[in-house]
Amino acid sequence: QKEVEQDPGPLSVPEGAIVSLNCTYSNSAFQYFMWYRQYSRKGPELLMYTYSSGNKEDGRFTAQVDKSSKYISLFIRDSQPSDSATYLCAMSDDYKLSFGAGTTVTVRA
Amino acid sequence: GAGVSQSPSNKVTEKGKDVELRCDPISGHTALYWYRQSLGQGLEFLIYFQGNSAPDKSGLPSDRFSAERTGGSVSTLTIQRTQQEDSAVYLCASSLKGVGKRTQYFGPGTRLTVL
Repeated sequence: QKEVEQDPGPLSVPEGAIVSLNCTYSNSAFQYFMWYRQYSRKGPELLMYTYSSGNKEDGRFTAQVDKSSKYISLFIRDSQPSDSATYLCAMSDDYKLSFGAGTTVTVRA
Repeated sequence: GAGVSQSPSNKVTEKGKDVELRCDPISGHTALYWYRQSLGQGLEFLIYFQGNSAPDKSGLPSDRFSAERTGGSVSTLTIQRTQQEDSAVYLCASSLKGVGKRTQYFGPGTRLTVL
């Protein structure tokens, strides 16, 4: 079993829909949780960073962490075609990031 | 300012050859990381450099892999006697130290193909 599980999708939604992404993990030492966005043939770009449990909102993006359930989520409101990318969850207890497999999202115009 | 840069962007080599991949971190970032992204394995940690401290090499998959960081800046990842399973995208990231290490900035990667 992988340390971080993420459904690879693919996920296809119409423009304006809410995109819901999630990851589960097994290492209870993880305290730092991140979501990265990766466009084709590009490096991952940090979207959201959360420490411990709780919610964080940044524009159309909301990240949630539930450490008791070892479950994290990312919601994208009012999705746009430019949101089409692969979304990677990542987490760590220090500097070494453990990544999910990534979910490929397509937002249809 | 400039982000993390990597070269070459693509590298095709024959099995058994050695390759060198280069990473230029963001200026002022003292921490540097190498990751590998391959189909079926996702993104996996390889090695971590922080200042003058001994690097964390725990993610290197075999002794054919090595990395160095000169002058606390540029890093080179070397793969000796390449194998087909080494084909992947090699990503470099950098960050500040301390709490800043939570925010890692990635380069565009080097796509390595071993024939």
